[in-house]
Amino acid sequence: KNEVEQSPQNLTAQEGEFITINCSYSVGISALHWLQQHPGGGIVSLFMLSSGKKKHGRLIATINIQEKHSSLHITASHPRDSAVYICAVFGETSGSRLTFGEGTQLTVNP
Amino acid sequence: NAGVTQTPKFRILKIGQSMTLQCTQDMNHNYMYWYRQDPGMGLKLIYYSVGAGITDKGEVPNGYNVSRSTTEDFPLRLELAAPSQTSVYFCASSFTPTGQFFGPGTRLTVL
Repeated sequence: KNEVEQSPQNLTAQEGEFITINCSYSVGISALHWLQQHPGGGIVSLFMLSSGKKKHGRLIATINIQEKHSSLHITASHPRDSAVYICAVFGETSGSRLTFGEGTQLTVNP
Repeated sequence: NAGVTQTPKFRILKIGQSMTLQCTQDMNHNYMYWYRQDPGMGLKLIYYSVGAGITDKGEVPNGYNVSRSTTEDFPLRLELAAPSQTSVYFCASSFTPTGQFFGPGTRLTVL
């Protein structure tokens, strides 16, 4: 069992829909990242959080430390949101190292 | 700032050849990382460095070597390339272990 599991693996939506991507992890963590990987391959950090909720534009990330679960929400989705979304955690005992989920491929159709 | 730069963008190697993937950052970050991403798989850590002169193995270090003689540069060396090393390689850097900035990647094919 992977330390970081994402669901769903693939998600197709229509433009305007509300999107939720989930991340569950099995270790104690000091921080969690949400990353976006564009079709061209570049990786961008969207959020880093260790508690509560963060919002940036149409993106919202939440984390529940007790339940070891985080969600990434996209409101009013747009075709340009099509990308792979990756959850990664800093384990409490992993020092300087991130552990990555396998990513969720999101496709938003016009 | 250029951020994290990687060269080359693409490379095809024959089995047994060697090459060095270059990574440079101009943000004065202490922490630098090398990852590989196989098709449909998550990122795996190859090697990392917490500062000049200090390197450590990640999850998948076999077949690779690194050095960190300066804060800016963190080259990854492949000796005796094998088809299993066909992958996309990402370099990343950060001021603290969190908040990593990623380079654009190097797509390597070993035939």
